[in-house]
Amino acid sequence: AQSVAQPEDQVNVAEGNPLTVKCTYSVSGNPYLFWYVQYPNRGLQFLLKYITGDNLVKGSYGFEAEFNKSQTSFHLKKPSALVSDSALYFCAVRDRKGEYGNKLVFGAGTILRVKS
Amino acid sequence: DAGVTQSPTHLIKTRGQQVTLRCSPKSGHDTVSWYQQALGQGPQFIFQYYEEEERQRGNFPDRFSGHQFPNYSSELNVNALLLGDSALYLCASSLEARSYNEQFFGPGTRLTVL
Repeated sequence: AQSVAQPEDQVNVAEGNPLTVKCTYSVSGNPYLFWYVQYPNRGLQFLLKYITGDNLVKGSYGFEAEFNKSQTSFHLKKPSALVSDSALYFCAVRDRKGEYGNKLVFGAGTILRVKS
Repeated sequence: DAGVTQSPTHLIKTRGQQVTLRCSPKSGHDTVSWYQQALGQGPQFIFQYYEEEERQRGNFPDRFSGHQFPNYSSELNVNALLLGDSALYLCASSLEARSYNEQFFGPGTRLTVL
């Protein structure tokens, strides 16, 4: 069965500092991996995805994520945090094998707080 | 280009009642998925519709049912509501041609069961 772990309920970082939001996954085969962001009273917004190829994936709003197969991790990163990055971040996985369909399995989410 | 839209925005029901939530996918998308997001949790997959058929289903009871129309819009129906059904219900659409395509989410419908 697929699963995602986001080990930190909350990450606090000062504006201008680099940020990392951690994600580890478990799937039976090779994964498709996604990061989404959710602002209060809003739906989820897509940030980036890993399909294949380069382990460093670049996405929206200056975010990037590094895929590490040996550690089964897909950590979200940004070189310089902004106060406006404060939100709830979700990592999601889809097993590229198995039944037809693109069901996503989400982690519990990590609250990112960026202080000025 | 309109994104994914959902209606209503908020809904209050009592236990035992039935509810219907509606979703219009992003233009050009043909696949609709529904997720339940309880407070403080990540979204949980309910089911997915493609070509008017339920293609995948998560671990939700038969009280949860759905439908997809020829214009790709979709409905989620929940019968015999329980207090535990209170949650944000998210609709997501995607293009089926490549299954690794990202899903685009609507703003959600907040369901409160009293």
